[in-house]
Amino acid sequence: QLQMQESGPGLVKPSETLSLTCIVSGDSITSGVYYWGWIRQPPHKGLEWIGSIYHSGTTYDNPSLKSRATISVDSSENQFFLKMTSVTAADTAVYYCARLKTVGGYVDFWGQGTLVTVSS
Amino acid sequence: SYVLTQPPSVSVAPGKTARISCEGINIASKSVHWYRQRPGQAPILVIYYDSDRPSGIPERFSGSNSGNTATLTISGVEPGDEADYHCQVWDSTTVVFGGGTKLTVL
Repeated sequence: QLQMQESGPGLVKPSETLSLTCIVSGDSITSGVYYWGWIRQPPHKGLEWIGSIYHSGTTYDNPSLKSRATISVDSSENQFFLKMTSVTAADTAVYYCARLKTVGGYVDFWGQGTLVTVSS
Repeated sequence: SYVLTQPPSVSVAPGKTARISCEGINIASKSVHWYRQRPGQAPILVIYYDSDRPSGIPERFSGSNSGNTATLTISGVEPGDEADYHCQVWDSTTVVFGGGTKLTVL
């Protein structure tokens, strides 16, 4: 049974770097039919795609984040990561890791999400 | 970048039919996917490729896509259908979400 669990600090100071890990169990990140991605949701707002990564390391990013987000993968540990630099209060959100189909680009599985608050 | 527009809210009485729209330029040329998100929970997929239902999603949920509008239709609405609904497309390897629609069951 697939499980995806986000982990990382719940509080980050403005201008610092947000770092999250997604631990995947029950499926291999090297599966060729999926991307692995990060999606966030500010309080009382809609969903925003941050980016996705293929097991080969190829990444796809949301241009609106102006290259502040970096996604990487460790296939040996079946984990992938998000780093977001120069955070502000506007980056306060629930961050979800997710599994996306490579054909069609839809999310067929979501992590439970983790709230990250940016505040001094 | 591609933009998807949803109404902020839709209200419907129990047993009636709810229709939630998702507008985008020539959206019919893309595959539209829909998610339901109950309060405090992660979203779940309810419709993919415009009108396909994942296993476990009732037949009451259906989708269509034509012209500039995709529509999620929920027939025989139940109180448990009250949630936020999000549409999504995949545009040249970029994932785009609509702003979400809050469905209220009166």
